[in-house]
Amino acid sequence: DAGITQSPRHKVTETGTPVTLRCHQTENHRYMYWYRQDPGHGLRLIHYSYGVKDTDKGEVSDGYSVSRSKTEDFLLTLESATSSQTSVYFCAISESTGSEETQYFGPGTRLLVL
Amino acid sequence: SQQGEEDPQALSIQEGENATMNCSYKTSINNLQWYRQNSGRGLVHLILIRSNEREKHSGRLRVTLDTSKKSSSLLITASRAADTASYFCALRGVGNNRKLIWGLGTSLAVNP
Repeated sequence: DAGITQSPRHKVTETGTPVTLRCHQTENHRYMYWYRQDPGHGLRLIHYSYGVKDTDKGEVSDGYSVSRSKTEDFLLTLESATSSQTSVYFCAISESTGSEETQYFGPGTRLLVL
Repeated sequence: SQQGEEDPQALSIQEGENATMNCSYKTSINNLQWYRQNSGRGLVHLILIRSNEREKHSGRLRVTLDTSKKSSSLLITASRAADTASYFCALRGVGNNRKLIWGLGTSLAVNP
């Protein structure tokens, strides 16, 4: 989990509440990603960032927003949590090496929405 | 779906045996990557094979790629209990698309 931390690592929340997950990197990598991992679906990209204040949507972005005000931090916000957002959330980073970019993952955040 | 499809979904072998898992896909790719995920942890990059490569080795790992069949295989030789993990293929499409397309993974159990 080289240089990537996620907080919190575990969270239980109630439906309708906002939740913010934080990803912090010490690698100074340009690209950051938020994924969710669910049984039967594998990894699905929620949002990604290609620089400070530059973000774009992934395949499952509805109900999520992101912000990146500093290179090292990428925040994922569930605006109003729903039970379908119960999942394990992974942050990943990469340093662009063109098409051969590989991604480095954080340890994950387990979120339970009751 | 562009998703990589892996088989088998689960594999159980004895220590010392070889483990083979496969990834099939439908899109054109620039490269294909394999990652490992230990239980409760994030994914770790193992190896990348380019679309113009047919075989690649890294330690006890051997990856093959057949672009005509749109499939790849990951072979772990002389497996160890520590190889117990889930293994995922990830596809890098052609062009400027930054997104990786992920398979559903193969769960490997290596029994001592």
